[in-house]
Amino acid sequence: AQSVAQPEDQVNVAEGNPLTVKCTYSVSGNPYLFWYVQYPNRGLQFLLKYITGDNLVKGSYGFEAEFNKSQTSFHLKKPSALVSDSALYFCAVRDSTNDYKLSFGAGTTVTVRA
Amino acid sequence: DADVTQTPRNRITKTGKRIMLECSQTKGHDRMYWYRQDPGLGLRLIYYSFDVKDINKGEISDGYSVSRQAQAKFSLSLESAIPNQTALYFCATQRGTGGSTDTQYFGPGTRLTVL
Repeated sequence: AQSVAQPEDQVNVAEGNPLTVKCTYSVSGNPYLFWYVQYPNRGLQFLLKYITGDNLVKGSYGFEAEFNKSQTSFHLKKPSALVSDSALYFCAVRDSTNDYKLSFGAGTTVTVRA
Repeated sequence: DADVTQTPRNRITKTGKRIMLECSQTKGHDRMYWYRQDPGLGLRLIYYSFDVKDINKGEISDGYSVSRQAQAKFSLSLESAIPNQTALYFCATQRGTGGSTDTQYFGPGTRLTVL
Protein backbone atom coordinates (compact mmCIF):
# COMPACT_ATOMS: atom_id res chain seq x y z
CA ALA A 1 0.00 0.00 0.00
CA GLN A 2 1.14 3.55 -0.62
CA SER A 3 -0.17 6.88 0.58
CA VAL A 4 0.76 10.52 0.93
CA ALA A 5 -0.24 13.16 3.46
CA GLN A 6 0.02 16.90 3.08
CA PRO A 7 -0.77 18.14 6.58
CA GLU A 8 -1.39 21.77 5.64
CA ASP A 9 -4.33 22.79 3.47
CA GLN A 10 -2.93 26.27 3.12
CA VAL A 11 0.42 28.01 3.49
CA ASN A 12 0.75 31.78 3.52
CA VAL A 13 4.09 33.56 3.23
CA ALA A 14 5.37 37.01 2.41
CA GLU A 15 7.29 37.54 -0.79
CA GLY A 16 11.00 37.08 -0.23
CA ASN A 17 10.53 34.76 2.72
CA PRO A 18 11.34 31.04 2.65
CA LEU A 19 8.56 28.73 1.55
CA THR A 20 8.07 25.17 2.80
CA VAL A 21 5.30 22.79 1.79
CA LYS A 22 5.19 19.60 3.84
CA CYS A 23 4.68 16.04 2.64
CA THR A 24 4.92 12.68 4.39
CA TYR A 25 4.51 9.29 2.78
CA SER A 26 3.97 5.61 3.46
CA VAL A 27 5.11 2.75 1.18
CA SER A 28 5.95 -0.92 1.44
CA GLY A 29 9.06 -0.85 -0.74
CA ASN A 30 11.29 2.06 -1.67
CA PRO A 31 9.61 5.42 -2.31
CA TYR A 32 9.75 7.38 -5.52
CA LEU A 33 8.51 10.88 -4.75
CA PHE A 34 7.21 13.64 -6.97
CA TRP A 35 6.06 17.24 -6.63
CA TYR A 36 3.63 18.89 -9.03
CA VAL A 37 2.25 22.42 -9.16
CA GLN A 38 -1.11 23.56 -10.48
CA TYR A 39 -1.47 27.20 -11.38
CA PRO A 40 -5.01 28.62 -11.67
CA ASN A 41 -6.82 27.25 -14.72
CA ARG A 42 -3.78 25.20 -15.71
CA GLY A 43 -2.86 21.55 -15.64
CA LEU A 44 -0.38 19.92 -13.29
CA GLN A 45 3.22 20.75 -14.02
CA PHE A 46 6.04 18.49 -12.89
CA LEU A 47 8.48 20.22 -10.53
CA LEU A 48 10.91 17.54 -9.36
CA LYS A 49 11.32 13.97 -8.24
CA TYR A 50 13.40 11.88 -5.89
CA ILE A 51 14.47 8.46 -7.08
CA THR A 52 17.74 7.71 -5.31
CA GLY A 53 21.03 9.35 -4.37
CA ASP A 54 21.38 12.84 -2.97
CA ASN A 55 18.63 13.62 -0.48
CA LEU A 56 18.36 17.20 -1.74
CA VAL A 57 16.70 17.37 -5.14
CA LYS A 58 16.64 20.51 -7.24
CA GLY A 59 13.81 21.21 -9.65
CA SER A 60 12.14 23.85 -11.77
CA TYR A 61 11.50 27.51 -10.84
CA GLY A 62 14.05 27.48 -8.00
CA PHE A 63 12.28 24.78 -5.99
CA GLU A 64 14.05 21.99 -4.15
CA ALA A 65 12.92 19.15 -1.94
CA GLU A 66 14.59 17.22 0.82
CA PHE A 67 14.08 13.48 1.22
CA ASN A 68 14.24 12.25 4.80
CA LYS A 69 13.93 8.50 5.08
CA SER A 70 13.79 8.34 8.87
CA GLN A 71 10.95 10.85 9.01
CA THR A 72 9.32 9.53 5.80
CA SER A 73 9.10 13.09 4.53
CA PHE A 74 9.70 14.92 1.28
CA HIS A 75 9.19 18.62 1.97
CA LEU A 76 9.22 21.13 -0.87
CA LYS A 77 11.22 24.31 -0.31
CA LYS A 78 12.07 27.59 -1.93
CA PRO A 79 14.52 29.98 -0.28
CA SER A 80 12.78 33.17 -1.44
CA ALA A 81 9.13 32.99 -2.48
CA LEU A 82 7.62 35.02 -5.30
CA VAL A 83 4.02 36.17 -5.71
CA SER A 84 3.96 34.08 -8.88
CA ASP A 85 4.56 30.95 -6.77
CA SER A 86 0.97 31.20 -5.52
CA ALA A 87 -0.60 27.94 -6.65
CA LEU A 88 -1.81 24.50 -5.57
CA TYR A 89 0.98 22.02 -4.85
CA PHE A 90 0.66 18.24 -4.89
CA CYS A 91 3.01 15.65 -3.50
CA ALA A 92 2.82 12.14 -4.99
CA VAL A 93 4.46 8.81 -4.24
CA ARG A 94 5.00 5.59 -6.13
CA ASP A 95 6.10 2.42 -4.39
CA SER A 96 9.04 0.69 -6.08
CA THR A 97 6.94 -2.48 -6.21
CA ASN A 98 4.74 -0.99 -8.94
CA ASP A 99 5.57 0.96 -12.08
CA TYR A 100 2.40 2.86 -12.77
CA LYS A 101 0.30 3.90 -9.77
CA LEU A 102 0.87 7.35 -8.34
CA SER A 103 -0.83 8.27 -5.09
CA PHE A 104 -1.44 11.97 -4.54
CA GLY A 105 -1.83 14.06 -1.45
CA ALA A 106 -4.85 16.33 -1.06
CA GLY A 107 -2.84 19.37 -2.10
CA THR A 108 -1.59 22.52 -0.37
CA THR A 109 -2.63 25.96 -1.51
CA VAL A 110 0.26 28.41 -1.32
CA THR A 111 -0.42 32.11 -1.20
CA VAL A 112 2.50 34.51 -1.42
CA ARG A 113 1.59 38.07 -0.48
CA ALA A 114 3.44 41.06 -1.85
CA ASP B 1 2.26 20.44 -20.86
CA ALA B 2 1.49 21.35 -24.50
CA ASP B 3 2.38 17.80 -25.56
CA VAL B 4 -0.77 16.52 -23.87
CA THR B 5 -4.04 18.10 -24.98
CA GLN B 6 -7.56 17.63 -23.72
CA THR B 7 -10.88 18.54 -25.29
CA PRO B 8 -13.15 20.10 -24.33
CA ARG B 9 -11.60 22.33 -21.68
CA ASN B 10 -14.94 23.10 -20.12
CA ARG B 11 -18.26 21.31 -20.39
CA ILE B 12 -21.63 21.73 -18.77
CA THR B 13 -24.09 18.91 -19.22
CA LYS B 14 -27.29 17.57 -17.71
CA THR B 15 -27.94 14.48 -15.61
CA GLY B 16 -28.37 11.39 -17.75
CA LYS B 17 -26.47 12.67 -20.78
CA ARG B 18 -23.61 10.76 -22.34
CA ILE B 19 -20.39 12.69 -22.58
CA MET B 20 -16.93 11.98 -23.91
CA LEU B 21 -13.69 13.63 -22.90
CA GLU B 22 -10.75 13.27 -25.25
CA CYS B 23 -7.02 13.22 -24.72
CA SER B 24 -4.25 13.32 -27.29
CA GLN B 25 -0.49 13.25 -26.83
CA THR B 26 2.53 13.85 -29.01
CA LYS B 27 5.09 12.62 -26.47
CA GLY B 28 5.18 9.13 -27.96
CA HIS B 29 4.43 7.60 -24.57
CA ASP B 30 2.88 4.16 -24.30
CA ARG B 31 0.98 4.66 -21.07
CA MET B 32 -2.01 6.93 -20.58
CA TYR B 33 -4.14 7.68 -17.55
CA TRP B 34 -7.38 9.38 -16.56
CA TYR B 35 -7.71 11.05 -13.15
CA ARG B 36 -10.33 13.18 -11.50
CA GLN B 37 -9.54 15.98 -9.07
CA ASP B 38 -11.92 16.98 -6.32
CA PRO B 39 -11.20 19.69 -3.74
CA GLY B 40 -9.54 18.26 -0.68
CA LEU B 41 -9.13 14.81 -2.24
CA GLY B 42 -6.21 15.26 -4.57
CA LEU B 43 -6.21 13.21 -7.76
CA ARG B 44 -7.76 9.77 -8.02
CA LEU B 45 -7.14 7.27 -10.79
CA ILE B 46 -10.12 6.31 -12.95
CA TYR B 47 -8.59 4.17 -15.72
CA TYR B 48 -5.18 3.51 -17.18
CA SER B 49 -3.82 1.95 -20.34
CA PHE B 50 -0.38 0.47 -20.98
CA ASP B 51 -0.96 0.19 -24.72
CA VAL B 52 -3.80 0.02 -27.23
CA LYS B 53 -4.78 -3.48 -26.17
CA ASP B 54 -4.29 -3.07 -22.44
CA ILE B 55 -6.87 -1.15 -20.41
CA ASN B 56 -7.25 -1.36 -16.65
CA LYS B 57 -9.60 -0.03 -14.02
CA GLY B 58 -8.31 2.39 -11.44
CA GLU B 59 -9.63 3.06 -7.96
CA ILE B 60 -12.85 4.85 -9.01
CA SER B 61 -13.91 3.39 -12.38
CA ASP B 62 -17.65 2.94 -11.65
CA GLY B 63 -19.75 5.09 -13.97
CA TYR B 64 -16.90 5.57 -16.46
CA SER B 65 -15.58 3.79 -19.53
CA VAL B 66 -12.56 4.39 -21.75
CA SER B 67 -11.34 3.77 -25.25
CA ARG B 68 -7.74 3.71 -26.47
CA GLN B 69 -8.14 4.45 -30.14
CA ALA B 70 -4.43 4.71 -30.86
CA GLN B 71 -1.17 5.08 -29.00
CA ALA B 72 -1.75 8.81 -28.96
CA LYS B 73 -5.46 8.93 -28.06
CA PHE B 74 -7.32 7.94 -24.93
CA SER B 75 -10.97 8.89 -24.38
CA LEU B 76 -13.04 8.86 -21.22
CA SER B 77 -16.83 8.43 -21.39
CA LEU B 78 -19.56 9.00 -18.89
CA GLU B 79 -22.45 6.87 -20.15
CA SER B 80 -25.06 8.58 -18.02
CA ALA B 81 -23.68 11.58 -16.21
CA ILE B 82 -24.67 12.31 -12.62
CA PRO B 83 -24.00 15.42 -10.50
CA ASN B 84 -21.35 13.80 -8.32
CA GLN B 85 -19.23 13.36 -11.44
CA THR B 86 -18.75 17.11 -11.46
CA ALA B 87 -14.99 17.49 -11.19
CA LEU B 88 -11.79 18.47 -12.94
CA TYR B 89 -10.55 15.63 -15.14
CA PHE B 90 -6.93 15.14 -16.10
CA CYS B 91 -5.28 12.97 -18.67
CA ALA B 92 -1.66 11.95 -18.11
CA THR B 93 1.01 10.08 -20.03
CA GLN B 94 4.02 8.05 -18.98
CA ARG B 95 6.86 6.63 -21.03
CA GLY B 96 6.50 3.13 -19.67
CA THR B 97 10.00 1.87 -20.29
CA GLY B 98 11.62 3.45 -17.27
CA GLY B 99 9.65 1.48 -14.73
CA SER B 100 8.85 2.87 -11.32
CA THR B 101 10.93 5.99 -11.79
CA ASP B 102 9.01 7.32 -14.79
CA THR B 103 7.37 10.73 -14.50
CA GLN B 104 3.74 11.24 -15.45
CA TYR B 105 2.94 14.32 -17.54
CA PHE B 106 -0.46 15.93 -17.37
CA GLY B 107 -2.77 17.69 -19.76
CA PRO B 108 -4.48 21.00 -18.98
CA GLY B 109 -7.63 19.38 -17.62
CA THR B 110 -11.33 19.38 -18.47
CA ARG B 111 -13.71 21.05 -16.05
CA LEU B 112 -16.97 19.09 -16.16
CA THR B 113 -20.19 20.26 -14.53
CA VAL B 114 -23.19 17.95 -14.38
CA LEU B 115 -26.43 19.72 -13.54
